[in-house]
Amino acid sequence: DAGITQSPRHKVTETGTPVTLRCHQTENHRYMYWYRQDPGHGLRLIHYSYGVKDTDKGEVSDGYSVSRSKTEDFLLTLESATSSQTSVYFCAISADRAAPLHFGNGTRLTVT
Amino acid sequence: AQTVTQSQPEMSVQEAETVTLSCTYDTSESNYYLFWYKQPPSRQMILVIRQEAYKQQNATENRFSVNFQKAAKSFSLKISDSQLGDTAMYFCAFSAGGTSYGKLTFGQGTILTVHP
Repeated sequence: DAGITQSPRHKVTETGTPVTLRCHQTENHRYMYWYRQDPGHGLRLIHYSYGVKDTDKGEVSDGYSVSRSKTEDFLLTLESATSSQTSVYFCAISADRAAPLHFGNGTRLTVT
Repeated sequence: AQTVTQSQPEMSVQEAETVTLSCTYDTSESNYYLFWYKQPPSRQMILVIRQEAYKQQNATENRFSVNFQKAAKSFSLKISDSQLGDTAMYFCAFSAGGTSYGKLTFGQGTILTVHP
């Protein structure tokens, strides 16, 4: 398995609170991605990073921000969680622009 | 924008038999990649197989193979000698190449159940 750790694995939070999800990799891969999975939608890209301090928006980025201060860590922040952000969040990594993407085990987030 | 369509919400197969999962896609890109991911009940996303569009030869990984029909924009997954552990949701995904690589577009998934 690719060395990807997502934390926490589960989280329940209240509407309006800030939430940060962490993706940590031990592969020294340059490229990192955050996806969310909802029933009927497959996975959709939220944000991605092509290197330290190099991030950009994906398809469903509204309400989310990211940071990458070190190669190994990619953080996803919900500044003020809403019920529509209840989802399973996956981090993925790839070594370069032609390498396979490998996913972490996901974080299930519930916003009440 | 790319689209990926999996027209079979659910499929079932008997253990040891062969099953084919369908996927079609739409794109104007010439440089792209196609993937099949498996998601068992554990929720983990596992890469099953990957195909580069410029390669005419169909990718294979042990019991898994694809039928890549570029002109028809079709990318089906064949699972031979099905095993109980193959029971999972299967997702087809598309990525353009170059600077867009890794920004996957997923289909809605096919739930595969393997019966003993």
